[in-house]
Amino acid sequence: QVRLVQSGAEVKKPGASVKISCKTSGYNFLVYAIHWLRQAPGQRLEWIGWINVDTGDTEYSPKLQGRITATRDTSATTAFLELKRLQSADAAIYYCVRLTLAGKFFDSWGQGTQVTVSA
Amino acid sequence: EIVMTQYRATVSVSLGERATLSCRASQNIGTDLAWYYQRPGQAPRILMYGASTRVTGIPDRFGGSGSGTEFTLTISRLQSEDVGIYFCQHYNNWPPWTFGQGTKVEIK
Repeated sequence: QVRLVQSGAEVKKPGASVKISCKTSGYNFLVYAIHWLRQAPGQRLEWIGWINVDTGDTEYSPKLQGRITATRDTSATTAFLELKRLQSADAAIYYCVRLTLAGKFFDSWGQGTQVTVSA
Repeated sequence: EIVMTQYRATVSVSLGERATLSCRASQNIGTDLAWYYQRPGQAPRILMYGASTRVTGIPDRFGGSGSGTEFTLTISRLQSEDVGIYFCQHYNNWPPWTFGQGTKVEIK
């Protein structure tokens, strides 16, 4: 059974950083890319980046370039997302998701991590 | 960037009746479209891809159609467990993968 289990909710001050983990199980971690999405209150789901967990190659939304870093620990089959210099607009639920091998849709989702940004 | 638009924010349907949800792409995406379903407080889950192919375990009361820029998700006989928010997502020319803003299905 494929599972993606994310770390718990975070409350951060503006300007701080947050790092979210996504522990995977039930499949060959190295085969599937992990993507990160976020959903701000009242907003649509937004794709923010992805990591090729085999090579470590990453690609990010231009909107967040320079503040976002996706990494992975292959021995722990875990992916991580770090977002720096948090702003109020970064408050959202962050999801790690698995992309199908054909690079099409997201077939497995983490439960989401709520990030609150408040002074 | 391809913009996905779901014009109806809410669809209200009686139990056992048909619900029809629409999604429009800002450019031709062929059938590179997926639908997701999100229950309150839960993560979205994949329902359908290729505009009309149900994933394993999705009941056949869910049907998808369309190609190009116009797509439809139909729930033929609405059941109480179908209440939630439905999103469309394209995967035609990425990144980015983009989503519609969602349509909430509720019981009339």
